[in-house]
Amino acid sequence: DGGITQSPKYLFRKEGQNVTLSCEQNLNHDAMYWYRQDPGQGLRLIYYSQIVNDFQKGDIAEGYSVSREKKESFPLTVTSAQKNPTAFYLCASSSTPGQGGTGELFFGEGSRLTVL
Amino acid sequence: GENVEQHPSTLSVQEGDSAVIKCTYSDSASNYFPWYKQELGKGPQLIIDIRSNVGEKKDQRIAVTLNKTAKHFSLHITETQPEDSAVYFCAAYDGSNYQLIWGAGTKLIIKP
Repeated sequence: DGGITQSPKYLFRKEGQNVTLSCEQNLNHDAMYWYRQDPGQGLRLIYYSQIVNDFQKGDIAEGYSVSREKKESFPLTVTSAQKNPTAFYLCASSSTPGQGGTGELFFGEGSRLTVL
Repeated sequence: GENVEQHPSTLSVQEGDSAVIKCTYSDSASNYFPWYKQELGKGPQLIIDIRSNVGEKKDQRIAVTLNKTAKHFSLHITETQPEDSAVYFCAAYDGSNYQLIWGAGTKLIIKP
């Protein structure tokens, strides 16, 4: 089935450690996105990529890093510089650029990161 | 930049009744307004959207209305069913930043 796969579903990290969240899509979409979701808040954009080897910062990029070496993959690294990393992280893709501004965003099932 | 407010944060309705969720936006230049449904433990999924050249759009039991003058749009769900229980998010497309700006979400509870 076509879709977006995020892994791991749950992740625990000690303070000071970097962690990488995986996002893979087989929808042949050019654009991919990472969002952070906190209770009682809307989705906030961390990074997005409209094409391979190119990505842009979203509203809350500090403490995060990404790469886009392949069209299918857009991993997110949560670094030790992120002050409050405990959250639910969502990866999405769309066939049109501009954050789905003219089209649908397809989301993965998310990764829940807890910092101990 | 764009700001989206969503109300209520929680809505509890009896099965079979209607549910209405409202969102307001600040940027009159926004031209695309999607609604997403997020079930427990899953990512959001698009259920309906509307563009600024249309005042209303329906899809079976779901409808969205847009009032550009007042800068608000609403999701209407009729004949609610248990499977409608979820968190619903509205969003507005900020063309100046090429970003979707999201509301904080509404938890819809369908009481049997």
